[in-house]
Amino acid sequence: AAGVIQSPRHLIKEKRETATLKCYPIPRHDTVYWYQQGPGQDPQFLISFYEKMQSDKGSIPDRFSAQQFSDYHSELNMSSLELGDSALYFCASSLSASGRALDEQYFGPGTRLTVT
Amino acid sequence: GEDVEQSLFLSVREGDSSVINCTYTDSSSTYLYWYKQEPGAGLQLLTYIFSNMDMKQDQRLTVLLNKKDKHLSLRIADTQTGDSAIYFCAESIYGNNRLAFGKGNQVVVIP
Repeated sequence: AAGVIQSPRHLIKEKRETATLKCYPIPRHDTVYWYQQGPGQDPQFLISFYEKMQSDKGSIPDRFSAQQFSDYHSELNMSSLELGDSALYFCASSLSASGRALDEQYFGPGTRLTVT
Repeated sequence: GEDVEQSLFLSVREGDSSVINCTYTDSSSTYLYWYKQEPGAGLQLLTYIFSNMDMKQDQRLTVLLNKKDKHLSLRIADTQTGDSAIYFCAESIYGNNRLAFGKGNQVVVIP
């Protein structure tokens, strides 16, 4: 079965550079979530999109922006990178269905961003 | 808001049972989840429990929920070496599907 695809898997950037992370959800999934997991930390919710509209926003820095495109893939754009942005960035996707409270999120393998 | 805490490290012999605990503070949680993270891999949903349930059993996994104490546990029966991973509990609230994760509990299975 197709899973969530994230690219690149690894990315090394220098401080103050920009980075773009891509997420391709499971086919027919309409919702995408982004999470950030710092070293030894638990994943923290950043932002989510449903049907190409931002549906929820968490602890995402103003330097970061994201969007979901017409083919439902999503991109997380990160500017003015800081050392503290080094983390594993997960994308998850789900199929939202009205009348169902549980939207099971399927996670991708993550993009490991290292800022030097 | 959502705040989830859990213990950090557990060593268990292969074939024994392992129990991982988690406490949470948001009483409006709708679903509570257990995720597994293996090295270099994403988060795999193991099981979940609806907040109006006390227990859920799924093969070798047993989830216990004590809403009064806001305590969630995961018991893995007959622990195998493939169970070595970091386990996260997480919660979500109906209508807001963001997951709030706990700190992660590393389980090391000794052959």
